[in-house]
This record gives sequence, structure tokens and C-alpha cells, in this order.
Amino acid sequence: QVTLKESGPARVKPTQTLTLTCSLSGFSIGTTGMRVSWIRQPPGKALEWLARIDWDDDKFYSASLRTRLTISKDTSKNQVVLKMTNMDPVDTATYFCARESTGRSSLDSWGRGTLVTVSS
Amino acid sequence: QSVLTQPPSVSAAPGQKVTISCSGSASNIAKNYVSWYQQLPKTAPKLLISDNDVRPSGIPDRFSGSKSGTSATLGITGLQAGDEADYYCGTWDSSLSAVVFGGGTKLTVL
Repeated sequence: QVTLKESGPARVKPTQTLTLTCSLSGFSIGTTGMRVSWIRQPPGKALEWLARIDWDDDKFYSASLRTRLTISKDTSKNQVVLKMTNMDPVDTATYFCARESTGRSSLDSWGRGTLVTVSS
Repeated sequence: QSVLTQPPSVSAAPGQKVTISCSGSASNIAKNYVSWYQQLPKTAPKLLISDNDVRPSGIPDRFSGSKSGTSATLGITGLQAGDEADYYCGTWDSSLSAVVFGGGTKLTVL
């Protein structure tokens, strides 16, 4: 059974760096063809894709947030980590991680998400 | 402003059919596969349609997808109250090298 679980702080202060971890089970991020994306959703708003890391360590970022994001993977722990610098209240959102396994950009398994509030 | 354009809302009566459109461009929908996601209230999105028109295991055949040129469409027949949700289209944008989503469509079953 494939599962993804997001973890990280529920609250961060403005200007701080957010670090989120996506723990994977039922598949390995090191397996050929596996990809994991981070997506966020501000309260009452639409989905926004943030970043993706592939099994071969290729990385892709949202153009509007590229300078603030770093995605990485720890194959031994089977985790994907997202760092977002200089957090602002507008970054308040539920952050999801999701798997893509077909190479055709369909996100076939999603974590439940974690709500991050940016407030002083 | 989302890269893909969806109507903000659609509605129909139980048992009826509804379609949701997703409009993109030559760099995204025209050259890449489209997926559709269903997000029930207060839950994570769930893959509804992959590869333009493929239903993952467990998705009823009331749900269908199609693509033509720079647009894609999600169809839902035999509407049920449990279909009330937000629906998102998504695809890869080859110019941006990024996944792009539509702004979401809220389906109301009257």
C-alpha cells in the first residue's frame, strides 16, 4: 500500500525557513520512474504546484518560487524534504506531497497534507 | 492566475450529466497528458483521470475524460450528492518545466 505523510511545524514566523518532510512507504523514491512533488493550497484557494524531485535526482521548481525553494531526497530514509525560505503570511497553506509513477504527470497518490500558518 | 483555465463553478441536478472544461496552450495541454483530480471537502485531492482519459482502478465509469488540441474536458454522468467537490485539471508545461493546475471548479449537485 502506497502512502505519503507530510510532517513539519504547524506554525512559523515571518522570515523564517520552513522545512517539510514527506515520508514514503509502499514504494522507494530511488526506484526508476518515481517522482515526488510538493503542492500547496491556501485556505479556500486553488492548488499550486511547488517542486518535484525524480528518482535520478532531477529537480524542477515553480518559476515564481524558485529562488526560495530547495527540494531534496534521502533515499536511505525514503523521504523527500522541501525547504522554503523567507516565509510570509501569504505562504499560509496546507502543504501536500504526492507521487507520480507513470512519467506522464499524473499524481496518483497524495498525502493528507499539513497546515502551515505563518504568523508572528 | 492559473496557467490552465477552468470555470469557477458548475451545477446540475442529481442523475444529470455535467462537463467541466480546462483550457490551456500549445506548451501544456496540446503536447502533454492531462489529469483530473477530485477534492472532497477538507480532504486531499484524489486522482480521477490520468493520461487524458484513463480511469484509475476504483474510479466509476460515470467519470470520463477527453482532450482535443489545447483543451480537455471532464464528464460526470448520473450525478450523485457525493460528487459535490472541487475538481482540478493538471498537466506538465514543457515551456515552464513545471506541473500546472487549473483554478478549480466547484461542482454543486442541486
